[in-house]
Amino acid sequence: EIVLTQSPATLSLSPGERATLSCRASQSVGRYLAWYQQKPGQAPRLLIYDASNRATDIPARFSGSGSGTDFTLTISSLEPEDFAVYYCQQRSNWPITFGQGTRLEI
Amino acid sequence: EVQLVESGGGLVQPGGSLRISCAASGFTFSSHGMGWVRQAPGKGLEWVSAISGSGDSTYYADSVKGRFTISRDISKNTLYLQMNSLRAEDTAVYFCAKVMVGVWYFDNWGQGTLVTVSS
Repeated sequence: EIVLTQSPATLSLSPGERATLSCRASQSVGRYLAWYQQKPGQAPRLLIYDASNRATDIPARFSGSGSGTDFTLTISSLEPEDFAVYYCQQRSNWPITFGQGTRLEI
Repeated sequence: EVQLVESGGGLVQPGGSLRISCAASGFTFSSHGMGWVRQAPGKGLEWVSAISGSGDSTYYADSVKGRFTISRDISKNTLYLQMNSLRAEDTAVYFCAKVMVGVWYFDNWGQGTLVTVSS
């Protein structure tokens, strides 16, 4: 199975700053990678799919990049509501796998 | 508006069985794959199982293969997960999720149902 490793485990930033989150795959997944946001007590929300496509109603401050084994989620200027846990997910091979998550905290 | 509402969670003894359900509305159920993703308390997301729109294809994580069965009733717009031989490590919130057309990403999620396996 493809293992996704996210870094850092925790990222401490302030509103207005730029956030850069990483996801590395144990083998190439092409561009078949998505990013989700999860807030406490809530279901995950799809942010980015196929590495760089924003999902419906996702603000432009969220962007994704990368291909092969290295991917990045960038939040250009943090809003208070962006502090949450972020997960990557690959669909290149079965089984579908998720990364372990990056906690973005104030 | 897409709505996914899970039900059927609860407390079950190790070795026991449970069936959880997900009632779907607001989209053409038969046109979308569906999946189950779980989250153990304080842990990350773990994909469990998925099924194609037609129901012809099913997929399972190794951790549940042979114990869990995913199915769907298109006439009732409902997704199911039959869980047998439950273990303590199956304790988690189980989320039902709708798959994007043509690609195995989850673009709508339910709020989850808690399954606790304990004696």
